[in-house]
Amino acid sequence: AQRVTQPEKLLSVFKGAPVELKCNYSYSGSPELFWYVQYSRQRLQLLLRHISRESIKGFTADLNKGETSFHLKKPFAQEEDSAMYYCALGFGYQNSGGGADGLTFGKGTHLIIQP
Amino acid sequence: NAGVMQNPRHLVRRRGQEARLRCSPMKGHSHVYWYRQLPEEGLKFMVYLQKENIIDESGMPKERFSAEFPKEGPSILRIQQVVRGDSAAYFCASSEDSNIQYFGAGTRLSVL
Repeated sequence: AQRVTQPEKLLSVFKGAPVELKCNYSYSGSPELFWYVQYSRQRLQLLLRHISRESIKGFTADLNKGETSFHLKKPFAQEEDSAMYYCALGFGYQNSGGGADGLTFGKGTHLIIQP
Repeated sequence: NAGVMQNPRHLVRRRGQEARLRCSPMKGHSHVYWYRQLPEEGLKFMVYLQKENIIDESGMPKERFSAEFPKEGPSILRIQQVVRGDSAAYFCASSEDSNIQYFGAGTRLSVL
């Protein structure tokens, strides 16, 4: 069965320090990985997906199939990065509806950036 | 585009009552997904619907829970005879034909 593990419930770093939020997954097929972010009192929003290979708000994430990881990194944390971060796994289009399958989420990491 | 709209934002029910949660997808989106988030947990997939069709309900509890997405109007997640364990945040997401899901603000259900 597919699973997403975010080992850190809470991560606190100082402003300007590097940040790494860990995400490991288990899935036998070809996964699609996402990072979603939820800022205080806002809805969950997509931060980045592995296939786009973009850098959003200074964050990057590389899919490592050998280690089954998709860690989120930022070299210099900013106070506005404080939020809940969720790693999610998608399986593509294995259903009959033409849309993507439902996502499997990790439990989330609460990132706090201290001034 | 107003985004995915969910209402109500907060819903309080007594044990045994029915809860109806509504979700209007983003304009142009034909795929709707419902997720449940229990305290201290990640979002758990419940059901995926298209207009008038349930595509995947593998995450739905077998009893008391149902979902629909009629030809006209919002998608409805219905929970009959609620119990305290149903207290959670329920999120709806929509997508067009990509793997990117856009989320609503959620409905927080409290069962007394």
